[in-house]
Amino acid sequence: NAGVTQTPKFQVLKTGQSMTLQCAQDMNHNSMYWYRQDPGMGLRLIYYSASEGTTDKGEVPNGYNVSRLNKREFSLRLESAAPSQTSVYFCASSRTSGAGSSYNEQFFGPGTRLTVL
Amino acid sequence: QKEVEQNSGPLSVPEGAIASLNCTYSDRGSQSFFWYRQYSGKSPELIMFIYSNGDKEDGRFTAQLNKASQYVSLLIRDSQPSDSATYLCAPHSSNTGKLIFGQGTTLQVKP
Repeated sequence: NAGVTQTPKFQVLKTGQSMTLQCAQDMNHNSMYWYRQDPGMGLRLIYYSASEGTTDKGEVPNGYNVSRLNKREFSLRLESAAPSQTSVYFCASSRTSGAGSSYNEQFFGPGTRLTVL
Repeated sequence: QKEVEQNSGPLSVPEGAIASLNCTYSDRGSQSFFWYRQYSGKSPELIMFIYSNGDKEDGRFTAQLNKASQYVSLLIRDSQPSDSATYLCAPHSSNTGKLIFGQGTTLQVKP
């Protein structure tokens, strides 16, 4: 099993450009997440998808959109990149999510390092 | 008050010593707690989780949970240089159903 995969690994954008970060998992997990990690800020949740067909905003959703394409894939789109979006982006998945649920351990992909000039 | 607080460190311990990493959280309804290890430039990887008050041991790692004090800790016995990493505490929020990550504690194990 590959677990959680992300593409690309690195990306440099100019301000105003758009791009989509891809994420896929082969663990048959229901829930998927997008985080960004900045120095000294820890992991902050951008968007998540509790199950196929649903998406919800996290702590820092502004400037991003997501698509849960199917159970395996969850993409993150930057419509008009800004220097403040320079960060490392991690995708994660878990068997379930939701209050009171078990099996909510999250497994992370290798990350995408994004620089916006 | 932050939802999850960890001392950012660095926490420096000699090889073979016990490293003690601490975490406090504000959501009294949190029921499960996860510890992730993150090497520099890598993604977080799960090393321990704990649901019940008390201790849970797994090899050289022991997680300790005290829900009344809203405190969770990770002990690493016989610390090795390969344990040098950032350790993230993540309670599972009962309100949102999501993990809330602390900023992490950087551990340095010196040979």
